[in-house]
Amino acid sequence: AQSVSQHNHHVILSEAASLELGCNYSYGGTVNLFWYVQYPGQHLQLLLKYFSGDPLVKGIKGFEAEFIKSKFSFNLRKPSVQWSDTAEYFCAVSFYNQGGKLIFGQGTELSVKP
Amino acid sequence: DTEVTQTPKHLVMGMTNKKSLKCEQHMGHRAMYWYKQKAKKPPELMFVYSYEKLSINESVPSRFSPECPNSSLLNLHLHALQPEDSALYLCASSQAEGNGELFFGEGSRLTVL
Repeated sequence: AQSVSQHNHHVILSEAASLELGCNYSYGGTVNLFWYVQYPGQHLQLLLKYFSGDPLVKGIKGFEAEFIKSKFSFNLRKPSVQWSDTAEYFCAVSFYNQGGKLIFGQGTELSVKP
Repeated sequence: DTEVTQTPKHLVMGMTNKKSLKCEQHMGHRAMYWYKQKAKKPPELMFVYSYEKLSINESVPSRFSPECPNSSLLNLHLHALQPEDSALYLCASSQAEGNGELFFGEGSRLTVL
């Protein structure tokens, strides 16, 4: 079965630190890639997505992600985090050979200290 | 704010009760989804409706019964639930099944006593 793995369960950073959250997926041919964020007590929101084209995609709130096909990775980055970035971050992959079903990684809890 | 509306936001029910969760979207999306999410865990897919027909049932127990009355509405009927069914139930929609870009509601937090 196809799978998505996120390397970090819980990341703690100080404000202004740089962020990189890892995401890898199992080989499965053509994929669409997503990062979702869930702020405390709020609904899941799309941060950014990759369908095709430029592998470096920019999302909301200064986030970006890079698709590296050879490494089956889609890491999330932000140069300088803020306290308001404290949230749970989910990588999700839609595999064409599974009818496009969206599979989520286990999530990374980000805590940003002021 | 999300364009997918779920009611109720909170629900407490006993194991013999029958209740329903409701979801509504007006984005013209033709695929709608039910997910279950436990604390600090990713959403787990339960059901997918595509063009108002059940497309995917992820081996969900029959005490959960989905219904899609029309293209904008999705219900989840609950009966004889167990305490381990307590979770956040999320509704989502997308333009079409397999599109991958899901829009989520805020969820209905269910507690089964």
